[in-house]
Amino acid sequence: AQKVTQAQTEISVVEKEDVTLDCVYETRDTTYYLFWYKQPPSGELVFLIRRNSFDEQNEISGRYSWNFQKSTSSFNFTITASQVVDSAVYFCALTTFGNEKLTFGTGTRLTIIP
Amino acid sequence: DAGVIQSPRHEVTEMGQEVTLRCKPISGHNSLFWYRQTMMRGLELLIYFNNNVPIDDSGMPEDRFSAKMPNASFSTLKIQPSEPRDSAVYFCASSLGGRRSGTDTQYFGPGTRLTVL
Repeated sequence: AQKVTQAQTEISVVEKEDVTLDCVYETRDTTYYLFWYKQPPSGELVFLIRRNSFDEQNEISGRYSWNFQKSTSSFNFTITASQVVDSAVYFCALTTFGNEKLTFGTGTRLTIIP
Repeated sequence: DAGVIQSPRHEVTEMGQEVTLRCKPISGHNSLFWYRQTMMRGLELLIYFNNNVPIDDSGMPEDRFSAKMPNASFSTLKIQPSEPRDSAVYFCASSLGGRRSGTDTQYFGPGTRLTVL
C-alpha cells in the first residue's frame, strides 16, 4: 500500500517570505516516483516536478527547490521569496515502478499575503 | 503543443439527466486517466486506459458511471442518471504510458466542473 501525507492543511505567509511545504510518503517498493502539482485558484492541475527514488539530489528551479530525503521518506518543497502568484493548493503524489496509478496527498493550501 | 483538452468546462444539469464529459489527450500519449475532485474526498482516480483499453476501473463509483475510449484521441465519461452527489470537478489526464514503466508524468486537462441540481 502507498500513502502520501501532507500534514499542513493551510499555510499563510507574507509576500517575500520563504515557505516549505512538507510531504511524507510510504511505500514498500524500492523503485518509486514522487511528484508535485500546483492547483491555482483557476482550478487546473499543473505539473511541477518528478523525482525517482534513485536520485536524491536536491533540485532547484528558480525560486522553487525540492529536498528529497529517503532516510525520512520526505520530499519537501520550498518556495523562496514567495509571491502572490504562488497562492495555490499544492499536491504531492507517489507512484511505483510498473504502476501508473498516482497516490495523491490531501494538498496544502498556500496563501501569500501581499 | 496543445495540452489535454476537456469539454465542456462547466456543466449544470438536473438530477436524472445524462451527462457526458469529453477528453482529448495529448497527441502521442498512450495512457488516459479520469479523476474526480471533491472537497470531501480529494482527488480520486476513477478509471484509466492504456492503448484505448481500460486497465483499472476500480475507482468507478457505481454502474451509473461509464467510460469509453474509442480511439487514441478521444475519451468520454458518462453519468446516467446523474445525482446531486456527482457534483465535482472531473479531470482528464494523459501520459506517455507504458505497461512496464509507471514512470511517466501525468498531464492534466483544465477540468470540467459539474453541478447536478
